[in-house]
Amino acid sequence: DAKTTQPPSMDCAEGRAANLPCNHSTISGNEYVYWYRQIHSQGPQYIIHGLKNNETNEMASLIITEDRKSSTLILPHATLRDTAVYYCIVISTTGTASKLTFGTGTRLQVTL
Amino acid sequence: KAGVTQTPRYLIKTRGQQVTLSCSPISGHRSVSWYQQTPGQGLQFLFEYFSETQRNKGNFPGRFSGRQFSNSRSEMNVSTLELGDSALYLCASSSGQGVQETQYFGPGTRLLVL
Repeated sequence: DAKTTQPPSMDCAEGRAANLPCNHSTISGNEYVYWYRQIHSQGPQYIIHGLKNNETNEMASLIITEDRKSSTLILPHATLRDTAVYYCIVISTTGTASKLTFGTGTRLQVTL
Repeated sequence: KAGVTQTPRYLIKTRGQQVTLSCSPISGHRSVSWYQQTPGQGLQFLFEYFSETQRNKGNFPGRFSGRQFSNSRSEMNVSTLELGDSALYLCASSSGQGVQETQYFGPGTRLLVL
């Protein structure tokens, strides 16, 4: 699975959009991009995933660049409860999603 | 639908002892994966069980083992505990049927080895 690079930390004001970048320059054509988050002392929570098209669900939007070498997770209206560590993970379609390789993630701090 | 449950939530053991952790997946899920989370190493994959068989394995010593029962419940065992085994142990369940599936994590068991 391709390696991902994320900034270690980011701040966002409550009510504003949080844009979390992820670099996966070695991604191959059969690899998905997944996002999970972990709120302090809880288990990770699935947010969204995509292959090459942009995706949106009730939690967030995922924007994947045309060359697929990077992506951005967008939380449109961040709240204090969105403070967490966000993980960007790349998973091969030839494997299973049951083995996740977590990097160090981005610690998002949402402030008043 | 009930979520993934893990027992116990907290555990204190001493070096050399062994420990067994339990995970009950979401009803209908056949895959259970285990992860170790430490401040130094982050979240690391231990192993995955699907239909009572180990399907994937991470890079951990043989002291770490697991099993899965016919009802998909899973247990993880660590023998001859070391101080470095102090960690949050997380399990996650999924249907196990494909790559486009969500893993649902439990709250974890926090193990302290003294």
